[in-house]
Amino acid sequence: QVQLQESGPGLVKPSQTLSLTCTVSGGSISSGGYYWSWIRQHPGKGLEWIGYIYYSGSTYYNPSLKSRVTISVDTSKNQFSLKLSSVTAADTAVYYCARDIITGSVVPAACGMDVWGQGTTVTVSS
Amino acid sequence: QSALTQPASVSGSPGQSITISCTGTSSDVGGYNYVSWYQQHPGKAPKLMIYDVSNRPSGVSNRFSGSKSGNTASLTISGLQAEDEADYYCSSYTSSSTYVVFGGGTKLTVL
Repeated sequence: QVQLQESGPGLVKPSQTLSLTCTVSGGSISSGGYYWSWIRQHPGKGLEWIGYIYYSGSTYYNPSLKSRVTISVDTSKNQFSLKLSSVTAADTAVYYCARDIITGSVVPAACGMDVWGQGTTVTVSS
Repeated sequence: QSALTQPASVSGSPGQSITISCTGTSSDVGGYNYVSWYQQHPGKAPKLMIYDVSNRPSGVSNRFSGSKSGNTASLTISGLQAEDEADYYCSSYTSSSTYVVFGGGTKLTVL
């Protein structure tokens, strides 16, 4: 059973870079057939897709965050990571990592996020 | 403002059926069969309930079903149970540079 676990600082100062890692257990990130995603949820609000990465390193980002986001993968550690630069209070949220299933032929479409981490709360404050 | 439009809230009594709509455009819901639905209880991570418009992952009750007509997708929950009370989100692939869009979420109350 594949499981995901987010890790990283819970408090980040304004203008600094938020860095989170998602560790995949119970399966290989290199097996293909999935995008590895980051999603966030502001307090009391809905879900916001940040971006995803394929194990080969291909990345796709939400254009509203693209200038500040980097998602990377480390297949040797079975991990993928999120970096969000120049953070402000508006980046305070619960951050989730998730596995998104690839079923069709449309690139880079995925059909649903079937495994999620428990989420980690990141607060941006001085 | 979310890219996909959902009602803010719906309610129903135990045993009844409810339907939650998710309206997009021909660039997302209407153009692809990559619509998914998620259930989220307070303080918990979302759970995939439906993928590819109408497919249920293993372990999800058959009381949950999905469909699509034009630019609108729907999630139907039959035989409502108290444990179904949660927030529900739809999501779709989009041909725009956004790639993935979510609805704003619907709070389901079981009366």
